[in-house]
Amino acid sequence: GDSVTQMEGPVTLSEEAFLTINCTYTATGYPSLFWYVQYPGEGLQLLLKATKADDKGSNKGFEATYRKETTSFHLEKGSVQVSDSAVYFCALSEGYQGMRFGAGTRLTVKP
Amino acid sequence: SQTIHQWPATLVQPVGSPLSLECTVEGTSNPNLYWYRQAAGRGLQLLFYSIGIDQISSEVPQNLSASRPQDRQFILSSKKLLLSDSGFYLCAWRAAFNEQFFGPGTRLTVL
Repeated sequence: GDSVTQMEGPVTLSEEAFLTINCTYTATGYPSLFWYVQYPGEGLQLLLKATKADDKGSNKGFEATYRKETTSFHLEKGSVQVSDSAVYFCALSEGYQGMRFGAGTRLTVKP
Repeated sequence: SQTIHQWPATLVQPVGSPLSLECTVEGTSNPNLYWYRQAAGRGLQLLFYSIGIDQISSEVPQNLSASRPQDRQFILSSKKLLLSDSGFYLCAWRAAFNEQFFGPGTRLTVL
């Protein structure tokens, strides 16, 4: 079945550092790919998405490119802020059956 | 715009007691609806999904059940809670490009 593997955390960075969180997937068809962010005690918020190969999703300085040849969707940000501290989830969906999520990566940004 | 509500926000229940969590969606009709569980420090596990009234699919055999008595209402239930049912329960609805939008969640502690 479909699955998502993402980089184990936690990740600790200094403010203004470069961020990469790796995500790879296994799917039988052509999934849509997503990154979600979860702040403490809250539900998940959609951060960005890509629906087909070579699409680049972007939002709030975060970017991820749908790479079909490497089955990857790595999350990047050029300069992180303290307010980016959260748990990040990579996910895929192929239709109405529901999403498959990675285990989540906790990011802590220190001033 | 669409909004999704969950209640209660937090719940502490003894082992063996019943459970009822409610989710309602506003601003859309005939949504696909989902229940996920997030155990402490872990990713999200899909529990149930529904494509219409009284149409429920279960992903994993559980001590839980789901019902959809109305178009925009999705209920998660249990007759007898186990310690392992503790977690953060999230309801979601599916939008046009397979992205899902999540409610604020219910934190359940079984003692």
